[in-house]
Amino acid sequence: DSGVTQTPKHLITATGQRVTLRCSPRSGDLSVYWYQQSLDQGLQFLIQYYNGEERAKGNILERFSAQQFPDLHSELNLSSLELGDSALYFCASSASGTGGTKRTEAFFGQGTRLTVV
Amino acid sequence: KNEVEQSPQNLTAQEGEFITINCSYSVGISALHWLQQHPGGGIVSLFMLSSGKKKHGRLIATINIQEKHSSLHITASHPRDSAVYICAVRYQGNLIFGKGTKLSVKP
Repeated sequence: DSGVTQTPKHLITATGQRVTLRCSPRSGDLSVYWYQQSLDQGLQFLIQYYNGEERAKGNILERFSAQQFPDLHSELNLSSLELGDSALYFCASSASGTGGTKRTEAFFGQGTRLTVV
Repeated sequence: KNEVEQSPQNLTAQEGEFITINCSYSVGISALHWLQQHPGGGIVSLFMLSSGKKKHGRLIATINIQEKHSSLHITASHPRDSAVYICAVRYQGNLIFGKGTKLSVKP
């Protein structure tokens, strides 16, 4: 058990809908990262939050947004869903988030499998 | 060109064999991770290393910073080692992933 909790584990929804994925980081970890894993793309970094503030942005669509709350849990909001958004969405947490000079391990949640029909 | 290349893409081995998975990268990194993704989808972090070598049980990870190359070795492989092994490099605070190596160990 990594200590990172993601809910829900599975989600099936229709095109055009909006969903929210939730992540609780390991106790004490300030950084939360969101990743998307689709069949054809592999794992892709979406966005990182550190202590409530957006720290880095990757290949995140404008239809997607995220936030990190004062209790450090994070939510990834996906709207106007398309079939191509079907993927595994992973959250990871780490203690630090201050950039390339910090060498901290990331712990992954079990992922949320989103199916858009 | 991907910043992180893994080889082989697929690997089938017999139980007991020694296995090597390779990872090459093209950017300056602060750390490299080896991850294991189980058939059910869950991801486990195996190693994080920035120099030298680390060992955990039957798993050994090495990195050569000058050559921008890392290897993951599995000794005395077992069917329960069957999984996708993913190399990821930490670059400017983010993780960049390789496409993974799918390992299947036959009894």
